[in-house]
Amino acid sequence: DVKVTQSSRYLVKRTGEKVFLECVQDMDHENMFWYRQDPGLGLRLIYFSYDVKMKEKGDIPEGYSVSREKKERFSLILESASTNQTSMYLCASSRGGGRDEQYFGPGTRLTVT
Amino acid sequence: LAKTTQPISMDSYEGQEVNITCSHNNIATNDYITWYQQFPSQGPRFIIQGYKTKVTNEVASLFIPADRKSSTLSLPRVSLSDTAVYYCLVGDYNNDMRFGAGTRLTVKP
Repeated sequence: DVKVTQSSRYLVKRTGEKVFLECVQDMDHENMFWYRQDPGLGLRLIYFSYDVKMKEKGDIPEGYSVSREKKERFSLILESASTNQTSMYLCASSRGGGRDEQYFGPGTRLTVT
Repeated sequence: LAKTTQPISMDSYEGQEVNITCSHNNIATNDYITWYQQFPSQGPRFIIQGYKTKVTNEVASLFIPADRKSSTLSLPRVSLSDTAVYYCLVGDYNNDMRFGAGTRLTVKP
């Protein structure tokens, strides 16, 4: 079974803190994605990576950065967390591009107080 | 990139067929249409994908008209366990893609 794991299911951080969300996939997929999910807005793409050390901005990259040092691991970084970044964060991986099946992790619910 | 529009919610009863439509008026030639299902506390999972006409698998059918400006996910004889949020995604070979806002389907007994 394809497995995408995320480091935390729930996370509570304070405004201004640096936050790391980790994602690991075990299928040797080239592509990895970070999404944010909010009620009424669906899934919005923050960043994606199509290879190690490669990254591309998605629709809402402001306030976020990413790191992909190894093929299986993709990290989302909030340099200085703000309350408007309280959300559900979902990581996904796929073999190819936007038309290939994406495998999602269970999500991390981040609350910034 | 095509913007997708879906109904916010739908209700149905067990045993009925449910059709959820996604509008994507500006779909590009290379775009495919993919549908995902999401249960509470889980990430979305792939249901079905198509390019044109009709695709059927063991859980759903996908109907895409010739102009490809919309697509309809059809769930035959739904059960309570089909209660979930359904997302349509339009994307191409690159990572140029856009999810819809999702349709919350509630199946009642």
